[in-house]
Amino acid sequence: EVQLVESGGDLVQPGRSLRLSCVVSGFTFEDFAMHWVRQPPGKGLEWVSGITWNSASKGYADSVKGRFTVSRDNAKKSLYLEMNSLKEEDTALYYCAKDGKPTATFYYMDIWGKGTTVIVSS
Amino acid sequence: SYELTQPPSVSVSPGQTATITCSGDSLSTRYTYWYQQKSGQAPVLVIYEDDKRPSGIPDRFSGSISGATATLTISGAQVEDEADYYCYSRDRSGNRPFGGGTKLSVL
Repeated sequence: EVQLVESGGDLVQPGRSLRLSCVVSGFTFEDFAMHWVRQPPGKGLEWVSGITWNSASKGYADSVKGRFTVSRDNAKKSLYLEMNSLKEEDTALYYCAKDGKPTATFYYMDIWGKGTTVIVSS
Repeated sequence: SYELTQPPSVSVSPGQTATITCSGDSLSTRYTYWYQQKSGQAPVLVIYEDDKRPSGIPDRFSGSISGATATLTISGAQVEDEADYYCYSRDRSGNRPFGGGTKLSVL
C-alpha cells in the first residue's frame, strides 16, 4: 500500500523558518517526481512546489519562490520543504503528493498524504 | 497568472447526472486532471489526462474536453459523491494552478 506521511508542521511567528518532511512507502520513491500542495483553512488547493526524481529540476509557485526550497533524499525515501521568511498567508495544511508518471517531470499528483498543519502567527 | 475557472457549486438529486466545468486558456493544449476532496480528507485523483480514470474509481466518473473547457461528469450521482471537486492543469510557462473548486451537493 502506498503511504505518504508528512510531519514538521507547527505554530511559528512571521519571519521564522520551518522544515517539513514527508516519508513514503509502498512504491519505488526514486522513480517518481514529488509535489507539495497546500490548502489554507476553508480555502482551495494551491500547488507549492515540485521536484524531479533525481532533483535535477525543481519548480515553485510564484507565491513561495525565493523563500521555499524543496529537496529529497532517495536513500531515506523522504521529501522535504524548507520554508523561510514565513508569512501569515503561508498558514495552511501542507500535503505531500506522489507524481502520477514514473521518471518524468512533475506533472500531476496521484497519491496524497494526509497533510501537516503550518500556522504562521504572532 | 494563469487561472482555471469552476462554478462554486452544483446541486443534483441522487441518480441524476452532475456536470462540473473548468475553463482555462491552456486547456486545449494541456491535460486536465480532476480531484475529489471529501470533508476533512486528502484529495483523491478521479480523472487524469482529460478522460482517463484511475483504478478503483467508479465508472460513473468521466472526463471530457472541448476547446478550452474541461468537464467532469458524474452519471447517476450518489450521496457518497458529495464533495469538493478541483480541476488542475499546467500552462505554457509551467504554472500549475488548481481551479477554485466546486462544491457538489447530492440531496
